[in-house]
Amino acid sequence: NAGVTQTPKFRILKIGQSMTLQCAQDMNHNYMYWYRQDPGMGLKLIYYSVGAGITDKGEVPNGYNVSRSTTEDFPLRLELAAPSQTSVYFCASSRDSNYGYTFGSGTRLTVV
Amino acid sequence: KQEVTQIPAALSVPEGENLVLNCSFTDSAIYNLQWFRQDPGKGLTSLLLIQSSQREQTSGRLNASLDKSSGRSTLYIAASQPGDSATYLCAVPRGAGNTPLVFGKGTRLSVIA
Repeated sequence: NAGVTQTPKFRILKIGQSMTLQCAQDMNHNYMYWYRQDPGMGLKLIYYSVGAGITDKGEVPNGYNVSRSTTEDFPLRLELAAPSQTSVYFCASSRDSNYGYTFGSGTRLTVV
Repeated sequence: KQEVTQIPAALSVPEGENLVLNCSFTDSAIYNLQWFRQDPGKGLTSLLLIQSSQREQTSGRLNASLDKSSGRSTLYIAASQPGDSATYLCAVPRGAGNTPLVFGKGTRLSVIA
C-alpha cells in the first residue's frame, strides 16, 4: 500500500544513547517532514526537506539531525538521548505544501 | 509568527447532533488550510484541504469553511456518529510560499451513543 512507513513503532532508550528513526514514502513526494507530538502540545516541526539533498530546521531542531540522500527516505537521528525527547514522532510527506500531507503511524519513544 | 488556536479543546455531544469546531490563525496570508483527524495512538489522516481562493470544501458529512480576512475556519460535522470520536486538528502553512504546516492543539471530540 502506498504511504509513509515509520520504523520502529516503539522504542525505549537510555539517557545518552543514540538511535535513528526511519521514514520512507513511496509516493514520489518531494517534501518530507518530521514532527514531534507531546501530550496537549500539538505537533512541533523538527526538520523538513524539499527534495533530495536539501534539509532545513523547524521549530525544535536541537538534539536531532536529518539527511535526505534519496527522494524516498528521510531518517531522523537522535544523538545523546535526553528525557525531554520522550515523545511521539511523526513523519509526513507531501507533493508540495499546496497538497495534503500523508502521515506515518508514528514512533513512540521513551527516554529513561 | 503563525499561531493556530482551536476552540474548544474538548467537546462531548450526543449521537445525531450537528456540531462545529473552530480554528483561528494569526497570519491571514495563507495559501491553504487543512483539517486532520487523529484517532488515539494513531497517525493523522487528512480530511479536507481548502485553498486560499476557496470559501469551503465538503466531503460527505464534513464541511470546512475558510474566512481568510478574519483568520478563521470552521469544521462542520453533520449528524454525528460515535465513529466520529477522535481529535480534529487544523493546520496552516507557517509562511508564504511552500512552507511547512503549523498545527493547532486540536479539539478532542466524543460522540456519545
